[in-house]
Order: sequence, then structure tokens, then C-alpha cells
Amino acid sequence: DGGITQSPKYLFRKEGQNVTLSCEQNLNHDAMYWYRQDPGQGLRLIYYSQIVNDFQKGDIAEGYSVSREKKESFPLTVTSAQKNPTAFYLCASSMSAGELFFGEGSRLTVL
Amino acid sequence: GDSVTQMEGPVTLSEEAFLTINCTYTATGYPSLFWYVQYPGEGLQLLLKATKADDKGSNKGFEATYRKETTSFHLEKGSVQVSDSAVYFCALILNQAGTALIFGKGTTLSVSS
Repeated sequence: DGGITQSPKYLFRKEGQNVTLSCEQNLNHDAMYWYRQDPGQGLRLIYYSQIVNDFQKGDIAEGYSVSREKKESFPLTVTSAQKNPTAFYLCASSMSAGELFFGEGSRLTVL
Repeated sequence: GDSVTQMEGPVTLSEEAFLTINCTYTATGYPSLFWYVQYPGEGLQLLLKATKADDKGSNKGFEATYRKETTSFHLEKGSVQVSDSAVYFCALILNQAGTALIFGKGTTLSVSS
């Protein structure tokens, strides 16, 4: 089946550790996105990529990094520089502007 | 800057009641407008969209009309069901290359039988 796969679904991290969230899509979409969701704050854009080997910072990129070496993959690394990383992270892809297909999300908890 | 404002929730309704969730926007250009829905524990799904003024988007009994004069895109449904309980997000995107969706904060809808 075509879609977006995020892993892991749940992740626990100790303070000071980097963690990487995986996002894979087999929809042949050019654009991919990472959003962070916090209660009462909606979705905030972390990074997005319109094409392989290129990506742009969103509104809250500090403390995060990404790569886009393959069209299908857009991993997000949450670094130790991110002050408040506990959140629900959503990956999405799109072929046409605004019509996003989302994964089921990854919930990161810092212990 | 460009932004989306939604009515705060939660919205609590009985089954078969009429639903309205208000959404207004601020944009420098002429955006396309969207409603997304998030069911518990899941990612978001596109519910409906409108790309220009006076367009009406509709899906699964939900409707929203793009009103340029009031910069609004209110979501409506004539008769809600328990299965409509979810979080609803209004969003916009500018019709320019290289831009990304801007979301509102979401409105939680709870429907009881």
C-alpha cells in the first residue's frame, strides 16, 4: 500500500542524547515536511524539502536537523540543543501545494 | 505575517446537531484554504479544500466556502455523528513556489450519542 511510514511510534530519550526519527514514503512525492504538535499549539513547521538534496528551515528549526539524500526518505534528528523536545512529531509528503499526506506520527518523550 | 485563527474548543455536541467551526485567515497574497481532520492517535487527513474565492469545498457531509470579503473559511456539517469526534485544523498555503502549509491551532469536536 502507498503511504507514509514513520518510526518509531514511541521513543524515549535521556537528556543530552540525539535521536533520529524515520520518515519514508512510497508515493513518489517530491516534497516532504516535518511538523511538531503540542497540546493547544497546533502544528508548527520544523523543516521541509521540495526536492532531493535541498531543504529549508521552518518556524522552529533550532535544535533539529534533517537530510534528504533520497526522494523516499526525510529523517529528522532531534539534537541535545533542542530545549523542550517532548512532543508529537508528524511527517508529511505532497505532490501538489497544500495537499499533504501524513504519517501516523512519532511520540518522543524525554526522561 | 500569514496566519490562521480558529475558534477555541472544545466543541461538544449531541448526535445530529449542526456544526460550525469558525476559521479566519490573514494572508499577503491569495491563498488556497484547507480543512484537515485528526482522529485520536493518528496523523492528519485532508478533509476538503478551496483554491479561490467563492469556491465551496465538500466531503463526507462537511462543507466550507472561501469568503474573500470576510477572510473566512468556516467548516459546517448539518448533522454530526459520534464518529466525527476529532480535532479539526484549518490551514492555508500561499500560491507561490516554495511555501508550506500554515495551520491553525485546531478545534476539538466531541459528539455524544
